[in-house]
Amino acid sequence: KAGVTQTPRYLIKTRGQQVTLSCSPISGHRSVSWYQQTPGQGLQFLFEYFSETQRNKGNFPGRFSGRQFSNSRSEMNVSTLELGDSALYLCASSLVAGEGQPQHFGDGTRLSIL
Amino acid sequence: SQQGEEDPQALSIQEGENATMNCSYKTSINNLQWYRQNSGRGLVHLILIRSNEREKHSGRLRVTLDTSKKSSSLLITASRAADTASYFCATVPSGYSTLTFGKGTMLLVSP
Repeated sequence: KAGVTQTPRYLIKTRGQQVTLSCSPISGHRSVSWYQQTPGQGLQFLFEYFSETQRNKGNFPGRFSGRQFSNSRSEMNVSTLELGDSALYLCASSLVAGEGQPQHFGDGTRLSIL
Repeated sequence: SQQGEEDPQALSIQEGENATMNCSYKTSINNLQWYRQNSGRGLVHLILIRSNEREKHSGRLRVTLDTSKKSSSLLITASRAADTASYFCATVPSGYSTLTFGKGTMLLVSP
């Protein structure tokens, strides 16, 4: 079974631009969560989607948004990029949402803001 | 904000030795999970222990949970160079359904 796939693996953007990251979950998994990982703040939860609905959202500004499609694939978008948005963005999937399910992670998209 | 805090922040041992990492958390939890992250890769789920369990084993891994002290430990026995990675604990606070991660312990196992 293929794992969680995130594209692209690396991205370089400049301040003020916007970016879209993509995540394909493990086949059959309907829940997708996004995390931001930085050396200073560690792993921080961004959002969780299940059946195309956002179930939970972390404490991030409205510039961070996401969506989930009917095939469970998910995208997250960051608008008006800031230097502090440089991070590894990780996507994780699980069979169902909630209940503290073990998460299956992709290898992430490393976003660098110049 | 971080729910779990791992200790130590970094640990360096020789192959064959045991490695012990600790995690403390602040609020009541549904379960606690441990993950491993190799450099530049995503996290890999290692083990889940529920709030009503005290100890769990998986291969060379042993996890304990003490809810009265709000702490957990991960023991890796007979460490190998391939165990070199960062290890994170993640909790699901009671009343919530999403994971909250600590900042991790960096383990270096030298041949």
